[in-house]
Amino acid sequence: DGGITQSPKYLFRKEGQNVTLSCEQNLNHDAMYWYRQDPGQGLRLIYYSQIVNDFQKGDIAEGYSVSREKKESFPLTVTSAQKNPTAFYLCASSIRPGNEQFFGPGTRLTVL
Amino acid sequence: AQSVTQLDSQVPVFEEAPVELRCNYSSSVSVYLFWYVQYPNQGLQLLLKYLSGSTLVKGINGFEAEFNKSQTSFHLRKPSVHISDTAEYFCAVSPLNEGYQKVTFGIGTKLQVIP
Repeated sequence: DGGITQSPKYLFRKEGQNVTLSCEQNLNHDAMYWYRQDPGQGLRLIYYSQIVNDFQKGDIAEGYSVSREKKESFPLTVTSAQKNPTAFYLCASSIRPGNEQFFGPGTRLTVL
Repeated sequence: AQSVTQLDSQVPVFEEAPVELRCNYSSSVSVYLFWYVQYPNQGLQLLLKYLSGSTLVKGINGFEAEFNKSQTSFHLRKPSVHISDTAEYFCAVSPLNEGYQKVTFGIGTKLQVIP
């Protein structure tokens, strides 16, 4: 079955540590996205990539980094510079930018 | 730039009653419109989309939405809700222009179906 996988489902981090969230898709989609979800704030775009080896900052990119070395993969690193990283992180993909997005199951990150 | 307003943060409704979740948008260009559903601790799933053509769009799980260009609205409706419809619903808009088309999401409406 085609779809998007995210791992891990739950992640705990100590303050000062970098962590990497995995996102893989086998839908052959060009575009991929990372969103952060906090209660009452909807989805906020962190980074997006329209094509392999290219990515752009979204609305809240500070303290995050990404790479897009393969079409299928778009990992997100939450760095120690992110002041409040506890949130639910969602990865998505679309066949082209602006089309309907397909979402992964999410990763819940908690900073201890 | 575009924006999306979901007018109700929470909507309680009794089982088997009808429901309408409201969504208004603003954009200087034509748009695609979407409704997504999110169950607790899960990702979002597409309910329905409006790209062009008929303004009444039918989606999964018995939901439908009507695009009203003059009122810039895309309200979601279901004639009879079930307990399993309890979830959070997001309206989203994507502009039809060249270059990167950023999808903007509303802040969500929590639908609580009461037995």
